[in-house]
Amino acid sequence: DVKVTQSSRYLVKRTGEKVFLECVQDMDHENMFWYRQDPGLGLRLIYFSYDVKMKEKGDIPEGYSVSREKKERFSLILESASTNQTSMYLCASSFRGSGYTFGSGTRLTVV
Amino acid sequence: GENVEQHPSTLSVQEGDSAVIKCTYSDSASNYFPWYKQELGKGPQLIIDIRSNVGEKKDQRIAVTLNKTAKHFSLHITETQPEDSAVYFCAASMKTSYDKVIFGPGTSLSVIP
Repeated sequence: DVKVTQSSRYLVKRTGEKVFLECVQDMDHENMFWYRQDPGLGLRLIYFSYDVKMKEKGDIPEGYSVSREKKERFSLILESASTNQTSMYLCASSFRGSGYTFGSGTRLTVV
Repeated sequence: GENVEQHPSTLSVQEGDSAVIKCTYSDSASNYFPWYKQELGKGPQLIIDIRSNVGEKKDQRIAVTLNKTAKHFSLHITETQPEDSAVYFCAASMKTSYDKVIFGPGTSLSVIP
């Protein structure tokens, strides 16, 4: 089975900190995604990548950036964390024509 | 862009009864409709999907139907069990090599023993 691993289950950061969320997948998936999940709002796409060094904005990219230097790793960066970025962050990967495989999520709290 | 609505937001059923979750989508070009189940503390997991050239698909107790004309699709779970309790998300996308999907807001299903 494809495994998507997110480096942290829980994170607490201070306002203004630079935050890195890491995601690694162990199959040769081309596509990787970062979503945030908030109650009542479902899953909203932040950024996605369809190849190494390639990235595309999703629906809510403001305040975030991403990095994909290797095919298996996709990092989400909060340049200056704010309290409204407190959320569950989900990473996913997919191969052309398949559904998503999600990680277990990182619950980020910004204080 | 695509918009996916999902109803109901919460659903409680007795064990053994059926559960139905309904979704609508806005972009007639969408041609791929996956369903995900998210258990507490876990990421969503793909449970079934349907493509626009098919009207219905079944996998044991789970079935999905698609009405392209009305832009509706539904998840049906029969003979519900307590382990079916979870949040279910529908989604829609145009199947490109990027596989980007738009999710509905989710339905919290509780199966009462």
